Amino acid sequence: GAVVSQHPSWVICKSGTSVKIECRSLDFQATTMFWYRQFPKQSLMLMATSNEGSKATYEQGVEKDKFLINHASLTLSTLTVTSAHPEDSSFYICSARDSASTDTQYFGPGTRLTVL
Amino acid sequence: KQEVTQIPAALSVPEGENLVLNCSFTDSAIYNLQWFRQDPGKGLTSLLLIQSSQREQTSGRLNASLDKSSGRSTLYIAASQPGDSATYLCAVRHSNYQLIWGAGTKLIIKP
Repeated sequence: GAVVSQHPSWVICKSGTSVKIECRSLDFQATTMFWYRQFPKQSLMLMATSNEGSKATYEQGVEKDKFLINHASLTLSTLTVTSAHPEDSSFYICSARDSASTDTQYFGPGTRLTVL
Repeated sequence: KQEVTQIPAALSVPEGENLVLNCSFTDSAIYNLQWFRQDPGKGLTSLLLIQSSQREQTSGRLNASLDKSSGRSTLYIAASQPGDSATYLCAVRHSNYQLIWGAGTKLIIKP
């Protein structure tokens, strides 16, 4: 079946540094990818929708300049957390919509970010 | 390697019926298990989270059970309503914190 991978799976960084998280669709093309974050014991919150070759659409309350999203190819989207702070520590999940089937969305395993 | 399976892949029932969605996993060494709801074009909503030490969780008309030894979880929906129509996903969280997702069950409640 379709697989979405994320790298890294777990990252610890110092406050003020930037962290890049990759999301890849391994055996299908994804015109659209989504980025979520989840705080402990809370729902997944959609951060942004990423479309290949165009600017991402951010949800209300999500800082565009802080969470940079790039979707340069049909199989790769990246989320860069810039100037990370401890409150950015969270679990980040991406999902990818199969271009051949717009109703099907596959989810990645997530990336745990801890900012010291 | 942990694998998560959801059966059935799709389900259509008349309004008012009680129904059960199934989720099975191959490795019982889980941290917790979550049930999510996904509406078309929207994000995920967490419905219930069951810690590995718990047997069940309830929220309104929803009840989720967990049997680690047999590698199974069920989501019970009572008195179904058309608004319950959505795709339901279960996800197992490993001790390494990563989520392993089921493929989902697409539920349609007919008025």
